Amino acid sequence: ETGVTQTPRHLVMGMTNKKSLKCEQHLGHNAMYWYKQSAKKPLELMFVYSLEERVENNSVPSRFSPECPNSSHLFLHLHTLQPEDSALYLCASSQDVGGREAFFGQGTRLTVV
Amino acid sequence: QKEVEQNSGPLSVPEGAIASLNCTYSDRGSQSFFWYRQYSGKSPELIMSIYSNGDKEDGRFTAQLNKASQYVSLLIRDSQPSDSATYLCAVTDSGTYKYIFGTGTRLKVLA
Repeated sequence: ETGVTQTPRHLVMGMTNKKSLKCEQHLGHNAMYWYKQSAKKPLELMFVYSLEERVENNSVPSRFSPECPNSSHLFLHLHTLQPEDSALYLCASSQDVGGREAFFGQGTRLTVV
Repeated sequence: QKEVEQNSGPLSVPEGAIASLNCTYSDRGSQSFFWYRQYSGKSPELIMSIYSNGDKEDGRFTAQLNKASQYVSLLIRDSQPSDSATYLCAVTDSGTYKYIFGTGTRLKVLA
């Protein structure tokens, strides 16, 4: 079983749909992250959770709503997205916020139509 | 705005050669430095971390850090076609300890 698992791997959704991305880590880490990766751009940090508490919200539009029910699980709820939100969404975890290595899940390729 | 700069490439090297990938960063207080490899359509995979000045070797990979020059590099010896990927440099922000990523350098190893 891989350390950080994301589902689904691919998602196509209409602009009026509601969907959720799921991330689960089996590494015993305390920090979890959501990143967005668009073509030709650096990874964009969206949200950071440390021990289930949100410690960072990088001016992300409210149509993205994170949820961290426990230190092993992280969700990203999506609602009324725009076509420009189409990207690869990556979940990562690290032992604590920053400092040491972060490990990524396989990502969810999201297409908004 | 703290930044990590990488040449986007592509950097083309023949099979068996040494590939040299470079990265500069703006945050003088950064303490942790990472190299990730990302194949097309896949997620980043950690290949090296380095925390102190000097060289760190792991198999065919050597990371080099020079904090005074705010420069970190990755050398890949005996490059193989399977090394063809985008290599992302990441550093930690000294104020928030968040990871700051570069845009990546695309490496092509020619058989």
